[in-house]
Amino acid sequence: AQTVTQSQPEMSVQEAETVTLSCTYDTSESNYYLFWYKQPPSRQMILVIRQEAYKQQNATENRFSVNFQKAAKSFSLKISDSQLGDTAMYFCAFLRGSNYKLTFGKGTLLTVNP
Amino acid sequence: EAGVVQSPRYKIIEKKQPVAFWCNPISGHNTLYWYLQNLGQGPELLIRYENEEAVDDSQLPKDRFSAERLKGVDSTLKIQPAELGDSAVYLCASSLMTSGSSYNEQFFGPGTRLTVL
Repeated sequence: AQTVTQSQPEMSVQEAETVTLSCTYDTSESNYYLFWYKQPPSRQMILVIRQEAYKQQNATENRFSVNFQKAAKSFSLKISDSQLGDTAMYFCAFLRGSNYKLTFGKGTLLTVNP
Repeated sequence: EAGVVQSPRYKIIEKKQPVAFWCNPISGHNTLYWYLQNLGQGPELLIRYENEEAVDDSQLPKDRFSAERLKGVDSTLKIQPAELGDSAVYLCASSLMTSGSSYNEQFFGPGTRLTVL
């Protein structure tokens, strides 16, 4: 079974600064996907960024980038130029290739302070 | 394009009462998921539908929970009777699953927050 661990229950950052959220996972699979989802107070889960395990290049989406360390089974999210609207719960999630069942971590509550 | 719609957004009931949640997926999406999100936790899959068929309901507590997806579009999740421990957020998601694809993005609705008193 896959497990996803987010060791930071809460983090805070000043507006315009950079913050990194940590995630580790455990799997014996070689084909899988990793995700970061954002869940604001409205509760709607929004996909932030996706990484395919077979790709060595780290995924980037505007201010969001990941540091994917496959051997270490680590998948951290870096948010640059933090904005007040980035305040939310962030969930790391794992998906086995050719499967549909997302396994989520417990989440990190990020607060961006003005 | 409209997203996944869920109703109600909030529901407060007394224990032992029945409750139902409704989900309308994104138009054209053939796969629908119901997730349970307890406070301070990530979502956990309860049931997945491919069209009208429940293809994975292994995590659904069948003694009190039931779900249906008539005509392969809207879905309803029911709890009868509700218990105190059922207080949580119930999320619905949908995706378009096509043959040969290894990944199908799931789009989530805003969820229903259930409080059982």
